[in-house]
Amino acid sequence: DQQVKQNSPSLSVQEGRISILNCDYTNSMFDYFLWYKKYPAEGPTFLISISSIKDKNEDGRFTVFLNKSAKHLSLHIVPSQPGDSAVYFCAASEGNYQLIWGAGTKLIIKP
Amino acid sequence: NAGVMQNPRHLVRRRGQEARLRCSPMKGHSHVYWYRQLPEEGLKFMVYLQKENIIDESGMPKERFSAEFPKEGPSILRIQQVVRGDSAAYFCASSPTLAGGFNEQFFGPGTRLTVL
Repeated sequence: DQQVKQNSPSLSVQEGRISILNCDYTNSMFDYFLWYKKYPAEGPTFLISISSIKDKNEDGRFTVFLNKSAKHLSLHIVPSQPGDSAVYFCAASEGNYQLIWGAGTKLIIKP
Repeated sequence: NAGVMQNPRHLVRRRGQEARLRCSPMKGHSHVYWYRQLPEEGLKFMVYLQKENIIDESGMPKERFSAEFPKEGPSILRIQQVVRGDSAAYFCASSPTLAGGFNEQFFGPGTRLTVL
């Protein structure tokens, strides 16, 4: 029972272009969504989050969009940089401590 | 400003042995969470602890697994009689005192357990 799904295991993007990572969820009780970035042999690092009362949150090069009716969120990175190459996890919460994670998308930024 | 620390980073055990994983939360954080990540999967919640209390262990297998967060010292995740299926990366996270809603969790580098 996967409540949070990231259907693309990997994504390759040219440096300087936009990277779009997608995430779908099934639980309508989720009210907080987060994106984490993970480098090999390191723990996940918080990137950006969005509450269900919003449909967009922006922080520098990173923007997260939430479409509640479609139960879909996406992370946009623009412009993409080589240091953005990592695994990106989408996670969701019902407003408490439990995070439900997607399987991750490996982003590769090509020079 | 040390982050969340976990040790050991790598642990190799033979089937039937015990594994002890340690986690020191960030300074000032009193909430600790343990997650497990199997290959090609996302992290799965195991247990949530505060000092001397297990708050939620709903994600932890009922047998062979236990966790503690004593008044002094690190949080310990203990796996008894390990089996090959226990091979995974185990991540610890900590957060400050909950003040309603979601509090950001800060993750350690993980312990990679390999069971031979």
